[in-house]
Amino acid sequence: AQSVTQLDSHVSVSEGTPVLLRCNYSSSYSPSLFWYVQHPNKGLQLLLKYTSAATLVKGINGFEAEFKKSETSFHLTKPSAHMSDAAEYFCVVSDEDTGGFKTIFGAGTRLFVKA
Amino acid sequence: GAGVSQSPRYKVAKRGQDVALRCDPISGHVSLFWYQQALGQGPEFLTYFQNEAQLDKSGLPSDRFFAERPEGSVSTLKIQRTQQEDSAVYLCASSLDFPGSSYNEQFFGPGTRLTVL
Repeated sequence: AQSVTQLDSHVSVSEGTPVLLRCNYSSSYSPSLFWYVQHPNKGLQLLLKYTSAATLVKGINGFEAEFKKSETSFHLTKPSAHMSDAAEYFCVVSDEDTGGFKTIFGAGTRLFVKA
Repeated sequence: GAGVSQSPRYKVAKRGQDVALRCDPISGHVSLFWYQQALGQGPEFLTYFQNEAQLDKSGLPSDRFFAERPEGSVSTLKIQRTQQEDSAVYLCASSLDFPGSSYNEQFFGPGTRLTVL
């Protein structure tokens, strides 16, 4: 069965410093993995996705994520945080596990960026 | 339209009332998903349609919840005899192709915030 664990409910960084948002997953099939961002009072926006073409995935706004099968991780990083990055981030796994089509969201990590 | 739209954006219902929430996906998108997002939590999967076929409804919390997509485009999520625990944001998403394909990223609507009094 699928599951997603976001290891931190809140992360606080200073503007200009690196961002690391951690995600571990479990899936009994070959999963698709995504990161979505949700700004206050706005809809969910796709940051990036992994679908087995390359383990290092580049997304929008300077974000990247690396798929590590041995660690079942898909951590999100950004070299330098910007104030506009403050938002809720969701790690998501999707696969056709045993005929189902569920998409599973993590509980979310709220990113705070200090000036 | 350019994106996924949902209506109404806000709905207040008295406990016991029936509600219907509408989703207009991106034109031509095969897959449509419904999610429930409680305050401070991540979205939880409710149901999945591939064109007009409802292929997964394992996330619907009770038989008071019913979804349809009769012509493979617009979808309606209906909640009968609403309860206070149904209060949440209901999100709709569509994707160009089915979940196992290369075009499986989901595009989300703004959601409908349902408050049951």
